[in-house]
Amino acid sequence: SQTIHQWPATLVQPVGSPLSLECTVEGTSNPNLYWYRQAAGRGLQLLFYSVGIGQISSEVPQNLSASRPQDRQFILSSKKLLLSDSGFYLCAWIASGGTETQYFGPGTRLLVL
Amino acid sequence: QKEVEQDPGPLSVPEGAIVSLNCTYSNSAFQYFMWYRQYSRKGPELLMYTYSSGNKEDGRFTAQVDKSSKYISLFIRDSQPSDSATYLCATSHGSGNTGKLIFGQGTTLQVKP
Repeated sequence: SQTIHQWPATLVQPVGSPLSLECTVEGTSNPNLYWYRQAAGRGLQLLFYSVGIGQISSEVPQNLSASRPQDRQFILSSKKLLLSDSGFYLCAWIASGGTETQYFGPGTRLLVL
Repeated sequence: QKEVEQDPGPLSVPEGAIVSLNCTYSNSAFQYFMWYRQYSRKGPELLMYTYSSGNKEDGRFTAQVDKSSKYISLFIRDSQPSDSATYLCATSHGSGNTGKLIFGQGTTLQVKP
């Protein structure tokens, strides 16, 4: 069966510090991968998605970047965090060529102070 | 106009009540419809998935899609306190290989014992 992992689970960072969040998927090959941000009491905002290694599409201009160095690894980064980067970050995947059903990871809660 | 509209609630009902959660969407090309349940501080989990119009039932949950009115619903029968969560509707037109979903804002449901 497929499993998706995210770490860290919780992170408190000062403004201006760098960020690296990691997402890995087990039990599948060549998945589509997605990064979302969810602000408190708000819906999901798609940040980036990837249909293959090294292929990154950005949905909104922002202070963040994403990379996919391996087939089942998706990384969200920032060089300098802003207060507005605080939120709940979720990684999701779907099987390549499969249905449109996305499966989510447990999320990373980021607080920028 | 947002592509998917969902009343954020909160919605509070007594245990045993029938709950109706609803979303409207604007793009008639959407063909795939999902409902996700999200407990506090957790990632969303897929609850129901339907393709095109019609009903789908799974235990106490029924998903309904009316493409003529661009309206999707989730019904919960005999609601339980464990159903207290945020419910997110999502949709996709399914073309291409991006697998991108468009989410509603989410409705917060509280079932009181």
